[in-house]
Amino acid sequence: QVTLKESGPVLVKPTETLTLTCTVSGFSLSNARMGVSWIRQPPGKALEWLAHIFSNDEKSYSTSLKSRLTISKDTSKSQVVLTMTNMDPVDTATYYCARIRDYDILTGYTYYFDYWGQGTLVTVSS
Amino acid sequence: QSVLTQPPSVSAAPGQKVTISCSGSSSNIGNNYVSWYQQLPGTAPKLLIYENNKRPSGIPDRFSGSKSGTSATLGITGLQTGDEADYYCGTWDSSLSAGRVVFGGGTKLTVL
Repeated sequence: QVTLKESGPVLVKPTETLTLTCTVSGFSLSNARMGVSWIRQPPGKALEWLAHIFSNDEKSYSTSLKSRLTISKDTSKSQVVLTMTNMDPVDTATYYCARIRDYDILTGYTYYFDYWGQGTLVTVSS
Repeated sequence: QSVLTQPPSVSAAPGQKVTISCSGSSSNIGNNYVSWYQQLPGTAPKLLIYENNKRPSGIPDRFSGSKSGTSATLGITGLQTGDEADYYCGTWDSSLSAGRVVFGGGTKLTVL
C-alpha cells in the first residue's frame, strides 16, 4: 500500500525558512526511476508544481521559485525534504507531496502523479 | 494565470454527461500526455486519467479522457452528486530550458 505523508510547521513568520518532510511507504525512493514531487495550492486557488527529485538524484524546480527552493531525499528514512526560504504571506498554501510516474512513449512523454499525500496547510503570518 | 486553460465551472443534472476542456500549446499538450485529477472538497487531488485516456484501477468507466492536437477533454457520464469536485488537467511542459509540470486553473463541477 503506497502512502505519502507531509509534515512540518503549520505557521511560519515572514522571511523565515520553511522545511517540509514527505515520508513515504509502500515503495522505495531507491527504486529505478522513482520520483516524488512537491505541489502547493493556495486557499481557493489552483495547483502549482514546485519541484521533483528522482531516485538517481535528478532534480528540477519551478522556474519562478527556483532561487528559494531546495529538494533532497534520505533514502534510508524514506523521506523527501523541501526547503523554501524567505517565506511570504503569499506562500500560504496547502503543500502536497506526490509520487511521480514518468516515461517516454513513442508518441510523447508522460508524467503524472499516481499517489498524493493528504497535504499540510502552511500559514505565513507574523 | 495558468499555462493550461480550463473553464472555471461546468454544471449538469444528475445522470447527464459533461465535458471539461483543457487547452495548451505544442510545448505541453501538443507533444506530451495529459493527466486529470479530481479534488473532492477538503481532500487531496486524486488521479483520474493518465496517458490522455487511461483510467487507474478503481476509476469507473464513466470517466474518460481524450486529446486532439493541443487540447484535451475529460468526459463524465451518468453524473452523480458525488462527482461534485474540482477537476485539474496536468502535463509536462518543455518550453523552458528546464522542463516543468503545468496544471490547468481547475474546473468546478456542479451537479444540479
